Amino acid sequence: AQSVTQLGSHVSVSEGALVLLRCNYSSSVPPYLFWYVQYPNQGLQLLLKYTTGATLVKGINGFEAEFKKSETSFHLTKPSAHMSDAAEYFCAVSDVGGSQGNLIFGKGTKLSVKP
Amino acid sequence: DTEVTQTPKHLVMGMTNKKSLKCEQHMGHRAMYWYKQKAKKPPELMFVYSYEKLSINESVPSRFSPECPNSSLLNLHLHALQPEDSALYLCASSQVGRGEWNTGELFFGEGSRLTVL
Repeated sequence: AQSVTQLGSHVSVSEGALVLLRCNYSSSVPPYLFWYVQYPNQGLQLLLKYTTGATLVKGINGFEAEFKKSETSFHLTKPSAHMSDAAEYFCAVSDVGGSQGNLIFGKGTKLSVKP
Repeated sequence: DTEVTQTPKHLVMGMTNKKSLKCEQHMGHRAMYWYKQKAKKPPELMFVYSYEKLSINESVPSRFSPECPNSSLLNLHLHALQPEDSALYLCASSQVGRGEWNTGELFFGEGSRLTVL
């Protein structure tokens, strides 16, 4: 069975500071990994995804994540936080090549950005 | 702009009402999903349709009735709901089948916020 653990339900950073949101996964097969962002009262928007190939994945809005198989991690980073980054972030895992994208979501991390 | 369109964006209904949520996508995806999301929680899978057939029902109460009229449309019929059913209902779609072109990504709509009085 697959699972996702997001460390820290709430992360607060200052504007311009490094953003680091942690995600660890458990999977018996090579996983597909995703980060989604949800702004208040909106749906989920894909930030980035890892399927195969390069382990450092770049996404939208300056975010990137690195797949580390040895650590079963897929942490999300951004060098410099912006006020507009304040949102809920969900890490998710899907079985590789699945016939359907049945995503398993982490519990989410709320990012706050202080001026 | 999302390519998955959900209507209505907001719905208020009484416990005796019958209403429907609608979802539409034109990306050629053959899998469509309903998720329920409570405040400060991740989305919870309710139903999955694959090639217009119900493939997953996550033990959802019968007061929620999904329908997939064709490959582009997904409905969720609501009847005799309870106040605890108030939530954001998200529709999503994805590719189906095994292959390099299927990355497992789900494309979400913006959701329908339901309030049951």
